[in-house]
Amino acid sequence: AQKITQTQPGMFVQEKEAVTLDCTYDTSDQSYGLFWYKQPSSGEMIFLIYQGSYDEQNATEGRYSLNFQKARKSANLVISASQLGDSAMYFCAMRERNDYKLSFGAGTTVTVRA
Amino acid sequence: SAVISQKPSRDICQRGTSLTIQCQVDSQVTMMFWYRQQPGQSLTLIATANQGSEATYESGFVIDKFPISRPNLTFSTLTVSNMSPEDSSIYLCSVPTGGRSNEQFFGPGTRLTVL
Repeated sequence: AQKITQTQPGMFVQEKEAVTLDCTYDTSDQSYGLFWYKQPSSGEMIFLIYQGSYDEQNATEGRYSLNFQKARKSANLVISASQLGDSAMYFCAMRERNDYKLSFGAGTTVTVRA
Repeated sequence: SAVISQKPSRDICQRGTSLTIQCQVDSQVTMMFWYRQQPGQSLTLIATANQGSEATYESGFVIDKFPISRPNLTFSTLTVSNMSPEDSSIYLCSVPTGGRSNEQFFGPGTRLTVL
């Protein structure tokens, strides 16, 4: 069964606007972590943000925020004030238990238009 | 945060040959992982590189095809053996920082093309 689902293959956003990338997950663990990564065309994986299952506050890192809705098992990434350099593939990932293995979603391609 | 380097950054290889990819971390880490990303696909975990013991492979990956070494807490190698065009992928090593930061970093990747 798919553990991480990203339903948006691609999205376009106007520069300076906000964009929300959807991510739903499936786990029976009580303790888990959710990650978002950015992958530009160079292929590197850039860590953006982390949300723990027991964290009461939504995680924020600069222009990135994670909208964590535990009951709905969703962990959407919000990028505010989009910049041209935000154009990339974005992956949602989950880490269950404490083994540090990551399961990835299919990814969402974001294209920022000037 | 951990600084991770990989060598080579890219390579073009002939079918039937082998390539060894190196991953170096600037600090000692308990766990290191190897992932594969086939063209247009997401990342898939190949194995956990264990220091002092054999690597632990995920379903669909075997030691004969992807032998892994972990001689110390800062270094690991992944070999892609007897390559075929289906092995053309980006190979990435990853280390968790653990603790309160809960970050998990990736190396810059090795882009492999098999002809």
